Amino acid sequence: NAGVTQTPKFQVLKTGQSMTLQCAQDMNHEYMSWYRQDPGMGLRLIHYSVGAGITDQGEVPNGYNVSRSTTEDFPLRLLSAAPSQTSVYFCASSYMLGRTEAFFGQGTRLTVV
Amino acid sequence: QKEVEQDPGPLSVPEGAIVSLNCTYSNSAFQYFMWYRQYSRKGPELLMYTYSSGNKEDGRFTAQVDKSSKYISLFIRDSQPSDSATYLCAMSALGGGSQGNLIFGKGTKLSVKP
Repeated sequence: NAGVTQTPKFQVLKTGQSMTLQCAQDMNHEYMSWYRQDPGMGLRLIHYSVGAGITDQGEVPNGYNVSRSTTEDFPLRLLSAAPSQTSVYFCASSYMLGRTEAFFGQGTRLTVV
Repeated sequence: QKEVEQDPGPLSVPEGAIVSLNCTYSNSAFQYFMWYRQYSRKGPELLMYTYSSGNKEDGRFTAQVDKSSKYISLFIRDSQPSDSATYLCAMSALGGGSQGNLIFGKGTKLSVKP
């Protein structure tokens, strides 16, 4: 039972580079989301999706893009990496928006130099 | 003022102690209240879930919600070294759109010393 799988686990980028963080879930959940976790800031919502083809912005969306072409996958794209995007990124999925357990991936540790 | 406030700690207690973790919130529309536990370098995992007000008990863990005071608590009895982790409160409102998203506190780092 894989749950939510994130790749890569670690990444170092140079300022200005772009990359995609991958997230896949095998629980047939409609709702998926991306958070970033910074020291002293807790988990902050970047983007979320309530189903295939539907995405919306969260609290800190600037510099990130998402798409949801399938129920299983929800990739997060960094368009032009900046040092301020150094963080730990978590993908989560749940059966219903906010009302049921959110299952988290193991996280991607991103450093932008 | 952030919607959800949580003392980040760190909190250090001896094994066997009773631990009290708390969050306050400002949005009276919040109806779903959760506590997540996050071990170092891992993703958060759901520990307790409460809908609306009241208490919920699960083994050594008790979650309380006081909506009149906009205050939620997590109590850990007979704390164990394996309880050492960061505890995050999370809550959401009833309804669709952005208001249905989970809002997290900053997390409290707990260390239980043998």
